Amino acid sequence: DAKTTQPTSMDCAEGRAANLPCNHSTISGNEYVYWYRQIHSQGPQYIIHGLKNNETNEMASLIITEDRKSSTLILPHATLRDTAVYYCIVRAYNDYKLSFGAGTTVTVRA
Amino acid sequence: DAGVTQSPTHLIKTRGQQVTLRCSPKSGHDTVSWYQQALGQGPQFIFQYYEEEERQRGNFPDRFSGHQFPNYSSELNVNALLLGDSALYLCASSATQGPGEQFFGPGTRLTVL
Repeated sequence: DAKTTQPTSMDCAEGRAANLPCNHSTISGNEYVYWYRQIHSQGPQYIIHGLKNNETNEMASLIITEDRKSSTLILPHATLRDTAVYYCIVRAYNDYKLSFGAGTTVTVRA
Repeated sequence: DAGVTQSPTHLIKTRGQQVTLRCSPKSGHDTVSWYQQALGQGPQFIFQYYEEEERQRGNFPDRFSGHQFPNYSSELNVNALLLGDSALYLCASSATQGPGEQFFGPGTRLTVL
């Protein structure tokens, strides 16, 4: 039972911002939004997470709508090394597992 | 500072055999989770170990079992291997205190013939 909906794939140009949408319309009040990515043949890599406020770290920014039903991961200046599958995951803080869906395959083109 | 390490990198087994995969968590982490990733799919949660006990389990049969040692390292055991068990097995570690982000190892590629 997927809790998130993401586009199957998207392309973006190197050096431009990449905006990755995620729909989580059934999110509960105690559930966080997590983003991970998986570069081919590697383990998933944590990117960022948030509850209701927008968050930013050295990798990306996370924008969560006021009603918390959707969010956008922003990679400010995409590089070829950002080509990966990006997973948006909704998870309660006391839920130990990460429930991965199919994710969005992002291809950064020169 | 070493991250999460897993061994072996690759493994080939035949149906009916048993396999043991190993994981060493990132320094400072005391919790280990295991995931199975079939080709073209996202990782699926198998179980999580904390304080040498299985704390949460996903929808996997009893053929999948695990263990955590006092040094926090962990093993995943799969008995009576099936062709469908062929997958990338990922180990992730986390610290009990903190935001709960999990750090993944590179995985063990298991092929069942």
